[in-house]
Amino acid sequence: NAGVTQTPKFRVLKTGQSMTLLCAQDMNHEYMYWYRQDPGMGLRLIHYSVGEGTTAKGEVPDGYNVSRLKKQNFLLGLESAAPSQTSVYFCASRRGLAGGPLGTGELFFGEGSRLTVL
Amino acid sequence: TQLLEQSPQFLSIQEGENLTVYCNSSSVFSSLQWYRQEPGEGPVLLVTVVTGGEVKKLKRLTFQFGDARKDSSLHITAAQPGDTGLYLCAGASSGGSNYKLTFGKGTLLTVNP
Repeated sequence: NAGVTQTPKFRVLKTGQSMTLLCAQDMNHEYMYWYRQDPGMGLRLIHYSVGEGTTAKGEVPDGYNVSRLKKQNFLLGLESAAPSQTSVYFCASRRGLAGGPLGTGELFFGEGSRLTVL
Repeated sequence: TQLLEQSPQFLSIQEGENLTVYCNSSSVFSSLQWYRQEPGEGPVLLVTVVTGGEVKKLKRLTFQFGDARKDSSLHITAAQPGDTGLYLCAGASSGGSNYKLTFGKGTLLTVNP
């Protein structure tokens, strides 16, 4: 029972390099999210998607791009990594309106991807 | 931007003690969730509260949603080392899009044996 799977789990980059984080969910969820978690800052929303082919900006989108070409996958890209992007990244998914029109649906998180930019 | 303030930020107690964690905002939320996160893992949902004044119990954990749906509390009775973790509250906005959840910064709880 995989749930939400993130790859890679660890990565070290040099400033200016690019990379893509992959999130895959097997629960047929409509909504998917990318968060970053920094000490003392909680979880901050980077981008999200409410369905295949759709994406939207969250709270801290600068420096990141996303794509949702397939319903089960949500990719987070860093085109030119900066040290400020050193963080732990979490992907999450949730059922759509069927999971609760008041936003009551449970978020299912992956185990996180730890990214260090030197 | 809707903000959720959690307090305290850190809490270290002895096994058997009681504690309360608070989640406050000046905004109204249509629902509020509490998650617990253990080191190296993603957050896991504990409870969702929807109605103002609602109280939910999960074994030794009691969750309350404020009457005005702007705040919530988590009370743990007779804490155990297994309760150690980061507790996060998250609110869904009452107006406009409810796709997004706003998270508080969390309360890091350590229960010492």
